[in-house]
Amino acid sequence: SAVISQKPSRDICQRGTSLTIQCQVDSQVTMMFWYRQQPGQSLTLIATANQGSEATYESGFVIDKFPISRPNLTFSTLTVSNMSPEDSSIYLCSVSGQSFTGELFFGEGSRLTVL
Amino acid sequence: GNSVTQMEGPVTLSEEAFLTINCTYTATGYPSLFWYVQYPGEGLQLLLKATKADDKGSNKGFEATYRKETTSFHLEKGSVQVSDSAVYFCALSIIQGAQKLVFGQGTRLTINP
Repeated sequence: SAVISQKPSRDICQRGTSLTIQCQVDSQVTMMFWYRQQPGQSLTLIATANQGSEATYESGFVIDKFPISRPNLTFSTLTVSNMSPEDSSIYLCSVSGQSFTGELFFGEGSRLTVL
Repeated sequence: GNSVTQMEGPVTLSEEAFLTINCTYTATGYPSLFWYVQYPGEGLQLLLKATKADDKGSNKGFEATYRKETTSFHLEKGSVQVSDSAVYFCALSIIQGAQKLVFGQGTRLTINP
C-alpha cells in the first residue's frame, strides 16, 4: 500500500481566508482523490485529480471553491477558498491500490476549523 | 444509483461480546465491497474487502461475506476488544471508466472493559 502524507494535519482558519492542503505519495499514482468528512458524517468525494488534466468535480463541488493542482504523479494540492464555518471538516487525500479491485488508501487527513 | 446503508450507531458493547454491524448496498453493476476503520485521531484504514459474490474478507478477527442475493456485507467479530473501538465504514466501488468509492454513514463502536 502507498504511504500518503498530508500537510497541514490541522489548522484553525479565519472566515474569508483560503488554505492549501498538500498531499505527497511515496509512489507514482495515476489518480488521486480528495474527500471531505464533515463532523460526525461520512466521506464525500470532492474531486478526482489526474496528472496533466483538469480535476473532475463531483456534484455540489466547484473549481472556484476547491481548486486542485496535480503537477506530477506523486503530489497534489487542494485549496479551500473563501472559507466559512461550514467548511470545517477533515479533508482526506487518497490514491488507488495496485490490485485494481477498487480500494483506496488514505492519508491521515487535514482537520480544518473555520472560525 | 449507488449507495450504502449501515446500521445506525453508536454501538456500545462489553469486551469479548459478539459484534455485528449491518451493511446493505444498492449498485448498478458488480461492485467490490469494503470495510474501512477509523481509529480515534487517525485516518481511514482498509480493514477488509471482497470483490465478488460469496467472497469472504477477513482481517484482525473481523469477517464479512459478500451476499449478492441480499445485497449485504455485514461485519462480524466473535470477541471484541477495547482496542476495536473506532468508527467503521462500509463502502462499495464500481470501476466504470472513472473509479469511485461510495461510503456508508459510518458506525461508531465503543467497547467497554
